[in-house]
Amino acid sequence: IQMTQSPSSLSASIGDRVIITCRASQRISTYLNWYQQKPGTAPKLLIYGSSSVQSGVPSRFSGSGSGTDFTLTINSLQPEDFATYYCQQSYSTPYTFGQGTKLEIK
Amino acid sequence: DVQLVESGGGLVQPGGSLRLSCAASGFNFNNFWMHWVRQLPGKGLEWISRINYDGTTSYAESVKGRFTISRDDAKNTLYLQMNSLRADDSGLYFCARGAMAGTWPAFDPWGQGTLVTVSS
Repeated sequence: IQMTQSPSSLSASIGDRVIITCRASQRISTYLNWYQQKPGTAPKLLIYGSSSVQSGVPSRFSGSGSGTDFTLTINSLQPEDFATYYCQQSYSTPYTFGQGTKLEIK
Repeated sequence: DVQLVESGGGLVQPGGSLRLSCAASGFNFNNFWMHWVRQLPGKGLEWISRINYDGTTSYAESVKGRFTISRDDAKNTLYLQMNSLRADDSGLYFCARGAMAGTWPAFDPWGQGTLVTVSS
């Protein structure tokens, strides 16, 4: 299953609302997870099952979608949100990731 | 606290072998699926292997036949035996906790990673 994220990079300002999309090459129900990775650190789980927010993750992060099309929304961007975001399907092995979306400060 | 700590990375010549370890603590290791994921330099994430709590394994095509995942539940440790290493296996290798029965198949948490460099 191929996962395609868009955009590959994105510039935004503090306080902006950002939407990142992820498309699967076949239907994966809601077996879609989102991770955040900052330089030099391991990925961190943000959203699982397409829309469930992991414990400890700020409520400004939300996810939606099912089947093949998914979105990650970040409301009111904070300085600590500038990072790279990856979607991942956990419907079947190999558990493929999207290519990443690098979110940069405008 | 739930923690995963990888070790065993290093510099190895093409065709050589390495064994990575991932020491787990803070949770019932034997109840969880475990995964290895790698990140090539400046690139994205690639899932490479999974081992279930019953020992069933799965591999990415890119490593099948060369890498072997295993676990020692008595030692709370996950392993990745890597043979016939190639230059394009160079990267940062993460272990990650997967699902347990009745929970969602997502990866959380991840270790800090161990660096593998394959070069002559």
